[in-house]
Amino acid sequence: GESVGLHLPTLSVQEGDNSIINCAYSNSASDYFIWYKQESGKGPQFIIDIRSNMDKRQGQRVTVLLNKTVKHLSLQIAATQPGDSAVYFCAENGSGGSNYKLTFGKGTLLTVNP
Amino acid sequence: SQTIHQWPATLVQPVGSPLSLECTVEGTSNPNLYWYRQAAGRGLQLLFYSVGIGQISSEVPQNLSASRPQDRQFILSSKKLLLSDSGFYLCACGTGGGEQYFGPGTRLTVT
Repeated sequence: GESVGLHLPTLSVQEGDNSIINCAYSNSASDYFIWYKQESGKGPQFIIDIRSNMDKRQGQRVTVLLNKTVKHLSLQIAATQPGDSAVYFCAENGSGGSNYKLTFGKGTLLTVNP
Repeated sequence: SQTIHQWPATLVQPVGSPLSLECTVEGTSNPNLYWYRQAAGRGLQLLFYSVGIGQISSEVPQNLSASRPQDRQFILSSKKLLLSDSGFYLCACGTGGGEQYFGPGTRLTVT
């Protein structure tokens, strides 16, 4: 499967703890953001999205926070489970707000210890 | 909801050989389609995108090409593979709202 080696930022948490994964974006014109989860050897899976007219959006066990002032996005996972272990990417619709293309962050490797 | 199929799942090809990767989409019409490449431990690099049949935009100059012969079919090709073409190739489908959904990927190893 896909190898996620030493180039990625890593976060290690205990099962049951909450996880917070951070992402900084650069394009102040971006108005749409997505978090993806990618397990080893698989394609990225859409988790949750948020538009720039919102500061917070909640899903099932996940919350995305958007701070447009400092261009920062975070993903919070409540009661982290071993199945949450994966690489997490943030994405923004860069290129001046184009809806055609997304710009992806480098990813964060989340490891959940039982 | 849309379903994205990619094949083959895994491919080993010698340097200089041709390449054809296929992506098909179900459950949506007139989608935006994308090809990405992901090197091990890296992020996603957009290679091509298409907003309609026969319409292809290239993001990175290289020896790869893309075609969209049908609304829900996207093909990635090469006439002669290089070692540097090895990677994980992902097809994605998007709507005008901005979101993109990914297929399962093709692992290409050029030897």
